[in-house]
Amino acid sequence: EDQVTQSPEALRLQEGESSSLNCSYTVSGLRGLFWYRQDPGKGPEFLFTLYSAGEEKEKERLKATLTKKESFLHITAPKPEDSATYLCAVGAHTGGFKTIFGAGTRLFVKA
Amino acid sequence: NAGVTQTPKFQVLKTGQSMTLQCAQDMNHNSMYWYRQDPGMGLRLIYYSASEGTTDKGEVPNGYNVSRLNKREFSLRLESAAPSQTSVYFCASSGGTTNTGELFFGEGSRLTVL
Repeated sequence: EDQVTQSPEALRLQEGESSSLNCSYTVSGLRGLFWYRQDPGKGPEFLFTLYSAGEEKEKERLKATLTKKESFLHITAPKPEDSATYLCAVGAHTGGFKTIFGAGTRLFVKA
Repeated sequence: NAGVTQTPKFQVLKTGQSMTLQCAQDMNHNSMYWYRQDPGMGLRLIYYSASEGTTDKGEVPNGYNVSRLNKREFSLRLESAAPSQTSVYFCASSGGTTNTGELFFGEGSRLTVL
């Protein structure tokens, strides 16, 4: 069964305290690993796409990496404005294309 | 650039009532989707339309119907609302003719069914 699991469910950091969010997945016919950011009361906003193991993408304080079984979203020296829910999703090709989302990690960064 | 626009933003229904959620995108995307988001669960696909004139069921289609009115608009209808349909509904669009995952979302429609 195709599945995406994110951990931890919630993460509280002090400003400047670097950490990582995890996304583990089980999927047949992977067609990309995606990260989104979601602010309260808003729709998810696309951040990154990763297609193959070993690939890395960066944007400001965020860096996403991919292995064959999981992805990490590394947050370096976070600021309060990085507080949001981060969603991981995989594109799968099983009987047609579909996108499977994890439940998300809620990140709180305190000044 | 409005992107994906959903209406209404909030709605309260009584059990058995019907309603339609409207969605429009101005990015000339081929594919459009309806998701629901519930606490502790990931976004779950209700229906999608890979291109104008086609619609397909997603993971949780029961109790819903959709219409792809034209390339810009994709509506979701609840014929007889149930409390289990209390959720936040998101419309999304993407540029390709397949569900590739790089989705552009609206701001959501918050539905409560009493």
